[in-house]
Amino acid sequence: QVQLVQSGAEVKKAGASVKVSCKASGYTFSSYNVHWVRQAPGQGLEWMGIINPGGGHTTYAQKLQGRLTMTRDTSTSTVYMEVSSLRSEDTAVYYCARGVNSGWADNWGQGTLVTVSS
Amino acid sequence: NLMLTQPHSVSESPGKTVIISCTRSSGSIASNYVHWYQQRPGSAPTTVIYEDNQRPSGVPDRFSGSIDSSSNSASLTISGLKTEDEADYYCQSYDSSNHEEVFGGGTKLTVL
Repeated sequence: QVQLVQSGAEVKKAGASVKVSCKASGYTFSSYNVHWVRQAPGQGLEWMGIINPGGGHTTYAQKLQGRLTMTRDTSTSTVYMEVSSLRSEDTAVYYCARGVNSGWADNWGQGTLVTVSS
Repeated sequence: NLMLTQPHSVSESPGKTVIISCTRSSGSIASNYVHWYQQRPGSAPTTVIYEDNQRPSGVPDRFSGSIDSSSNSASLTISGLKTEDEADYYCQSYDSSNHEEVFGGGTKLTVL
């Protein structure tokens, strides 16, 4: 079955960077995009960006341009999401999700809580 | 930039029908698919409707989706409400102008 397993919770200082991993299994890794979505405490879902694991092409939300980097390792079927220059407002649960061509996310990771402290 | 507007909350009794709307701020609602997600507290979202009106396997047919060009909105209809339907619901669509996916602000459904 399709599974996306994310790395564990992180606590970071403001100004630092955080890198979250998302290991895929149960399907052909290069055939599906991977979205990253975050959710601040008590807030709604925010789309961050998308990576095509086959070619590595990425698209980032304008709001996060310059601070967000998505990469992938095809040898381990893992995608990575890194946010730099962390601020308190980056405190959120970060989700990876497998993307279908029409844009919807059909399988989600369990989420990774990132807490940014000042 | 595209905005998808949802009611903050809705409530209804078990067995009844509820409709959650998602209004597109610019461009035609029919120009890009709308998808709907259910999120229970402490859990990741799951898809209840994709591509406007398609149900993933395992989602009961009490859940249905539609779009209305006259109001430029999409709707998620849940009939025969059950207490287990109590959750937050989010719509999602694509902003072609900047190549971004966009989520609505979410609607909290209370079944009481």
